[in-house]
Amino acid sequence: AQKVTQAQTEISVVEKEDVTLDCVYETRDTTYYLFWYKQPPSGELVFLIRRNSFDEQNEISGRYSWNFQKSTSSFNFTITASQVVDSAVYFCALSEGGGDDKIIFGKGTRLHILP
Amino acid sequence: KAGVTQTPRYLIKTRGQQVTLSCSPISGHRSVSWYQQTPGQGLQFLFEYFSETQRNKGNFPGRFSGRQFSNSRSEMNVSTLELGDSALYLCASRSGTTGSTDTQYFGPGTRLTVL
Repeated sequence: AQKVTQAQTEISVVEKEDVTLDCVYETRDTTYYLFWYKQPPSGELVFLIRRNSFDEQNEISGRYSWNFQKSTSSFNFTITASQVVDSAVYFCALSEGGGDDKIIFGKGTRLHILP
Repeated sequence: KAGVTQTPRYLIKTRGQQVTLSCSPISGHRSVSWYQQTPGQGLQFLFEYFSETQRNKGNFPGRFSGRQFSNSRSEMNVSTLELGDSALYLCASRSGTTGSTDTQYFGPGTRLTVL
């Protein structure tokens, strides 16, 4: 069965600090997709990144970076030099291959960036 | 390109009533998925429609139903509302090409309150 665990329910850091959000997933499929979404107070889920199971390259996009490690079934997300606007709930999610449109979400990590 | 739109944004109903929520996907997207978000259960998949057919279904009672029109717009209906149906209902669209798992883009959600 597929499962996504975000062990950190809430994190608070001071602005400009780096912060890493953890994500551990479980799946029996060899083909799967991992996602990170951001949910600001407005409620809309904003897509951040999608990674397939065959691409273990880490990715950097501005202040955001992602570390995908199949050996530990983890897909961690780091924000460098955090800003107040990064305050939101962040969700890690998993979708198994084969065109299945169902996404399994973790419970989310609420991130507070303190000025 | 316009994003996913959902109407209404807020709804207040009483127990026993029924409600219909609407979702317009991104232009060109043929797949629409619905999710329920509650503080206790998090984000849960309801169902997915592609080309007017339900392609996938989550673990929700039959009171939750949906449909999709030829223009890809989708509606979700909940009958005999219960207090526990109070939630943020999110709609997501993707291009939906069979066999692919392209990214889902979410709308702002409809916040339903059942009194």
